[in-house]
Amino acid sequence: QVQLQESGPGLVKPSETLSLTCTVSGGPISSYYWSWIRQPPGKGLEWIGYMYYSGSTNYNPSLQSRVTISVDTSRNQFSLRLTSVTAADTAVYYCARGIAIGTARYFDYWGRGTLVTVSS
Amino acid sequence: DIQLTQSPSFLSASVGDRVTITCRASQGISSYLAWYQQKPGKAPKLLIYAASTLQSGVPSRFSGSGSGTEFTLTISILQPEDFATYYCQQVNSYPYTFGQGTKLEI
Repeated sequence: QVQLQESGPGLVKPSETLSLTCTVSGGPISSYYWSWIRQPPGKGLEWIGYMYYSGSTNYNPSLQSRVTISVDTSRNQFSLRLTSVTAADTAVYYCARGIAIGTARYFDYWGRGTLVTVSS
Repeated sequence: DIQLTQSPSFLSASVGDRVTITCRASQGISSYLAWYQQKPGKAPKLLIYAASTLQSGVPSRFSGSGSGTEFTLTISILQPEDFATYYCQQVNSYPYTFGQGTKLEI
């Protein structure tokens, strides 16, 4: 059974960089699209972006200038970096696996999520 | 960005009821739509993809239909474990976007 687990600091200061890692177990990291999605407290879901295991990326334009997703195939992990954070970046961050169905990418496995609070 | 509007935002129902949730897209998205179920404190769970294809392991009481701009998620016979929030998501074009959610309450 594929499992994803997020890890990283739960508290980040304003203007600093948010860094999270997702560890994938029970399946390969190759041939999938590795994604981050966030959910501010009490609100809906926002897609941040994804990286294909081979390196191509696609980011939400609203975050593109601040976000980097990377994949480490040797460790079966992928990571999120979000720079210059503000209180608006406070959210539960989910990592997810994307599967390709034709040209579409659907997210079939998700981590349990980790709350990141931006506060001084 | 493509906007998805779900209706209703809140839905009260009883065990055994048949319920339908609608998702409308601001422009045509063919059949590039997924439905997710989220319970409090849990990650979303993929129920349906490509508008009408049931994800493996999802009970057959869930079904999806539609194409273009209007889509529906139907639960044929509500079970106690179905009370949750449901989201639609379009994967037709970037950025991928989600509906605002429909909270299904007892």
